[in-house]
This record gives sequence, C-alpha cells and structure tokens, in this order.
Amino acid sequence: AQTVTQSQPEMSVQEAETVTLSCTYDTSESDYYLFWYKQPPSRQMILVIRQEAYKQQNATENRFSVNFQKAAKSFSLKISDSQLGDAAMYFCAYENNNDMRFGAGTRLTVKP
Amino acid sequence: NAGVMQNPRHLVRRRGQEARLRCSPMKGHSHVYWYRQLPEEGLKFMVYLQKENIIDESGMPKERFSAEFPKEGPSILRIQQVVRGDSAAYFCASSPQMGTEQYFGPGTRLTVT
Repeated sequence: AQTVTQSQPEMSVQEAETVTLSCTYDTSESDYYLFWYKQPPSRQMILVIRQEAYKQQNATENRFSVNFQKAAKSFSLKISDSQLGDAAMYFCAYENNNDMRFGAGTRLTVKP
Repeated sequence: NAGVMQNPRHLVRRRGQEARLRCSPMKGHSHVYWYRQLPEEGLKFMVYLQKENIIDESGMPKERFSAEFPKEGPSILRIQQVVRGDSAAYFCASSPQMGTEQYFGPGTRLTVT
C-alpha cells in the first residue's frame, strides 16, 4: 500500500523568510504523480504544485518549489519569501493509476 | 488503530439512482470532512461535520447532496438522483479536533452510467 507521511504537524516561519515542509511516501511504482495542496481557513483545497515522477526537474510555481528526491521517496515543499496569506494547512498527496493517498497535513503559521 | 475507512471503494450507479458513501473515522475522531475529486480537477472541499452537526457545508451542491454524521455509526454522504457529472472520487478525512491534522481514507470512486 502506498502511504504518505508528513512528519511535521506544525511549522512556523517569519514573514519574508523561507520554510520547507517535508513529505515522504512509500511506493513500489515507478510512475506516479505528487501534489501539494493548501487548505486555508475557508477549507477549499488549492493545488499548489504538481510533480510527475518521470520528470527529474523539480516543479516550480512562483514562490513555491519542490525538492523531489525519487530514490529517497521524498517530496518537500519550499516556500520562499513567505507571506501572511501562506498560513494554512498543507497536504502532500500521491497518485498512481487513480489511487490517491494523502499525508495528514502540516499547519503553517506565518509570523509578521 | 485502523485508519479512516471508506466503503464501498467502487460504486456504480445508473442515472437517477441514489448513491450512499460511507466513512468511518479513526477511533477517537469526531470531526469528518468530505472532498470530491473530479476527473482532471483538483480536490474540492464539500462539507465538514462534527458528531450530529454540520459545521460547514459551503462546498456542497444545494440540490441532491446531503451528509450526516450520526452519534453512532459512520458518516454518510448521500447523492440522490445521480447524474453523469457526479462521477468522481469522493474522499473523507477525519481529525481529532478542528484545525488539526486530517487523516484521509482511500476514497470511493463513483461511476454513473
């Protein structure tokens, strides 16, 4: 079974600083997708970034980037120049062949 | 401690039938969230429930969809008179408190024919 682990229940960052959220996963597949979702207080899930496992290049979306280490099965999210609006729950997710698994989430607090 | 359980894992319904999706939260969790993942789209929040109460249903369609989380038993997401557009994966998650980590179930894949 594929499992996704987020080992940091809570993280805190100073505004304008950089923070990295960890995610590891377990799979025997070679081709799959990885995601980071942001859930603000509104509870709507916002797709932050998506990575295809066959692509070696790390995905980037403005201030958000990932460090994808396929051999280590690690998929961390780096948020640069943190803003107050980045405060939210962040979920890491894995998908293979329509089977999707989620981590339990990391609550990010941004301090002004 | 068993994780969040959802059943059935796969459900096929004809247009106009009712679909009932069940979610058993982790032991000790009294908060349940339902999400929907449409093909080629991301995850969408539908409803947030605490035992016997709907806290937030802002993401749930006003018609045909309802959810409950009774004092005893699993949370149920009910879709009446299903249409093809309801075909999606439905995930539930449970948490011990509001605003804390959410543990997701494996999802129910609904196909409407």
